[in-house]
Amino acid sequence: DIQMTHSPSSLSASVGDTVTITCRASQSVFGYLNWYQHKPGKAPKVLIYAASSLESGVPSRFSGTGSGTDFTLTISSLQPEDSATYFCQQTYSTPYTFGQGTKLEIK
Amino acid sequence: QVQLQESGPGLVKPSETLSLTCTVSGGSIRGYYFNWMRQAPGKALEYIGYIYYSGSSYYNPSLKTRVTMAADMSKNQFSLKMNSVTAADTAIYYCARSEAAAGAHLDYWGQGTRVTVSS
Repeated sequence: DIQMTHSPSSLSASVGDTVTITCRASQSVFGYLNWYQHKPGKAPKVLIYAASSLESGVPSRFSGTGSGTDFTLTISSLQPEDSATYFCQQTYSTPYTFGQGTKLEIK
Repeated sequence: QVQLQESGPGLVKPSETLSLTCTVSGGSIRGYYFNWMRQAPGKALEYIGYIYYSGSSYYNPSLKTRVTMAADMSKNQFSLKMNSVTAADTAIYYCARSEAAAGAHLDYWGQGTRVTVSS
């Protein structure tokens, strides 16, 4: 199975900041990488699919880059509602696998 | 707006069968794949598998011998059964929709249902 690793595992930032979260795959997943946002007790929500495509309805301050094994999710102009766990998923090879996530706290 | 909602017993005894249902509202299950995942405490999400509305399926090889999925178009539901459960199956179980079997993201998720395996 392809292992997905996040860094950092948690971070704290202020409203208005820009943060970058990294997801690394144990082998190439080409561009088959998705990013999700998960708030406690809520349904996870897709933000970015195919590494860099913004899901409809998601604010443009969310962006994704990368290919192969290294991917980043950037959130610019942080808002209080961005407090959540962000995790990646590869859909290149079954079984599809997820990273453990990065917990983002807004100060 | 498409919504998915998981339901089922929150407590299952060891060696018994876990049965969960995912009800889809706001849209038909026709043409879509429905996926099951779980997250044990402190661990990453684990992909269990998917069922297509017409019945074809894929199961994670690590769980394949214990898992069965089914789709019921008349009820707009799909289900997950996992037999011979142990404490290691204690987790929050999620269902989610995708538009393809390969390469597609999960565009709608349920909120998850907590399942505890204990006597």
